[in-house]
Amino acid sequence: SQQGEEDPQALSIQEGENATMNCSYKTSINNLQWYRQNSGRGLVHLILIRSNEREKHSGRLRVTLDTSKKSSSLLITASRAADTASYFCAPNTGFQKLVFGTGTRLLVSP
Amino acid sequence: GAGVSQTPSNKVTEKGKYVELRCDPISGHTALYWYRQSLGQGPEFLIYFQGTGAADDSGLPNDRFFAVRPEGSVSTLKIQRTERGDSAVYLCASSQGAGEGGYTFGSGTRLTVV
Repeated sequence: SQQGEEDPQALSIQEGENATMNCSYKTSINNLQWYRQNSGRGLVHLILIRSNEREKHSGRLRVTLDTSKKSSSLLITASRAADTASYFCAPNTGFQKLVFGTGTRLLVSP
Repeated sequence: GAGVSQTPSNKVTEKGKYVELRCDPISGHTALYWYRQSLGQGPEFLIYFQGTGAADDSGLPNDRFFAVRPEGSVSTLKIQRTERGDSAVYLCASSQGAGEGGYTFGSGTRLTVV
């Protein structure tokens, strides 16, 4: 298992703007998962992208994966105040255990 | 059940006491994970079960921490002789099979040791 490193640590934007956060990791992966956490409680699974995929969409979310650079990005378009949360990436090497970094704290102001 | 249920949602205990935290996973999920999270940090892995057996307990910080899942469903995390440093939110998650579809997390138990 390996930990993803999210960047930036914190991001502050206005409603309607797009938010981009990045994730880097160190070794080969089977897939990479993104999670959201509101108010320090349970994490919510947002999207999973497999190692043979380059881009994936889910509603206002767009995830890209560049395995040559060992990096991924999460784009939230037309952000809303309700998107305020911490976002974590989790590279999955296939050994099941997900290891989380410190996340990106996103603040969306009305 | 519909989601992962953790009880209690909050627990305050005195230093030195014993506590049990319960996790009820999604019905049919074979894998169950425990994490703990301190303020401003990401979730820290503790242990995971595949069925009734602990497949990886490498994250348990010391022998005061123990977890069981006797029937392959509900799990209990047990902490003996609690210390103030054990204060954190304890998160449980479950997944089907190898977890390729992602984990489903509970809302956590906030443990405060005074």
